[in-house]
Amino acid sequence: GAGVSQTPSNKVTEKGKYVELRCDPISGHTALYWYRQSLGQGPEFLIYFQGTGAADDSGLPNDRFFAVRPEGSVSTLKIQRTERGDSAVYLCASSLSTGPYEQYFGPGTRLTVT
Amino acid sequence: AQTVTQSQPEMSVQEAETVTLSCTYDTSESDYYLFWYKQPPSRQMILVIRQEAYKQQNATENRFSVNFQKAAKSFSLKISDSQLGDAAMYFCAYRSMANAGKSTFGDGTTLTVKP
Repeated sequence: GAGVSQTPSNKVTEKGKYVELRCDPISGHTALYWYRQSLGQGPEFLIYFQGTGAADDSGLPNDRFFAVRPEGSVSTLKIQRTERGDSAVYLCASSLSTGPYEQYFGPGTRLTVT
Repeated sequence: AQTVTQSQPEMSVQEAETVTLSCTYDTSESDYYLFWYKQPPSRQMILVIRQEAYKQQNATENRFSVNFQKAAKSFSLKISDSQLGDAAMYFCAYRSMANAGKSTFGDGTTLTVKP
């Protein structure tokens, strides 16, 4: 079956602009996760959803970052007033539920802020 | 807060030989999960192996096995009969049972396999 997909695969934007990153999870997966991975580092947790609600958004770095999952499937990570420090690979993952279930990762979106 | 430390930024192994990647973590919790993920240059993270902290038996998946030392908070990955396709970045990750949606990752170890 289809895995987790993320669009776009690459995004270049100017400092101060608004961007949206999309994640399509595996069908039937109720849990969805967003991570940020900077060069040479491990993924850093941002937020996760159980169904439509954000169960834990403690990893969002500031109020410029926001994520939604209105119908419990597709999720969008939104970044306002982008800064050069936001440049990273944004990874999305999904799983059947939370707990010991395997998280299936997408290929990521590489965001470059110039 | 939980932290995960991978003290070996780079490791190399000869094809067909065995290599061990180290991981230590810090937590005050007793119930949690530990994972090893593989990330090849394509960026796609793939689960290699998983360990529940309440299980004393070390997890094994084919050529991959772990040495889980709960008291020492150590979780190393052993790759036996290394293959060229094992070359990748390997990440150790911690996930609390109390907040099982949030994973904490180490900074990874780059594994090179020499033919």
